[in-house]
Amino acid sequence: KAGVTQTPRYLIKTRGQQVTLSCSPISGHRSVSWYQQTPGQGLQFLFEYFSETQRNKGNFPGRFSGRQFSNSRSEMNVSTLELGDSALYLCASSESGGRSYEQYFGPGTRLTVT
Amino acid sequence: AQSVSQHNHHVILSEAASLELGCNYSYGGTVNLFWYVQYPGQHLQLLLKYFSGDPLVKGIKGFEAEFIKSKFSFNLRKPSVQWSDTAEYFCAVNGGATNKLIFGTGTLLAVQP
Repeated sequence: KAGVTQTPRYLIKTRGQQVTLSCSPISGHRSVSWYQQTPGQGLQFLFEYFSETQRNKGNFPGRFSGRQFSNSRSEMNVSTLELGDSALYLCASSESGGRSYEQYFGPGTRLTVT
Repeated sequence: AQSVSQHNHHVILSEAASLELGCNYSYGGTVNLFWYVQYPGQHLQLLLKYFSGDPLVKGIKGFEAEFIKSKFSFNLRKPSVQWSDTAEYFCAVNGGATNKLIFGTGTLLAVQP
């Protein structure tokens, strides 16, 4: 099976702009989670989607949002970008049928805000 | 609050040395425990996991970890490291039916040939 894919891999944006990142989970996986990785804060959970519904949310401002489509692909959006949003954004997928499963991570999207 | 602590931020070992990386967690209720590895330039990969049963779990590449419930610990071990084990190692925990992973700050392991 193909792994988790994320597009684009690299992105440079200017403060105040918005950005949309995409994640395609492993075939058959219905849960998609997003994480932000920075040198200062480490890996932090953003949100999880399952069957097109947000099931869990981390402690991030409302500028961070996401959605999931019927084919389980997911997007996350960050509006009004700030310098501190520069990070590696990771997507993870799992089977997740009501209990916890192991998660498989994609390569990430490296976002740089200037 | 839920948290994961990794006590060693940077570890340097020679090849063939033994490895033990500490991980302690604070989480009420049933937990699932994980160790992930991030090799230079690669994405996060699962090394091993504990959901239930035997508290000594074996993972890929000769790694193992022991869940000690009374100590809230899940330390990672390998009897003999190789240069190719140079990577960053993350301990993570989630609880019950949630997929929300709480990660430790990571341990950078450098193995000198």
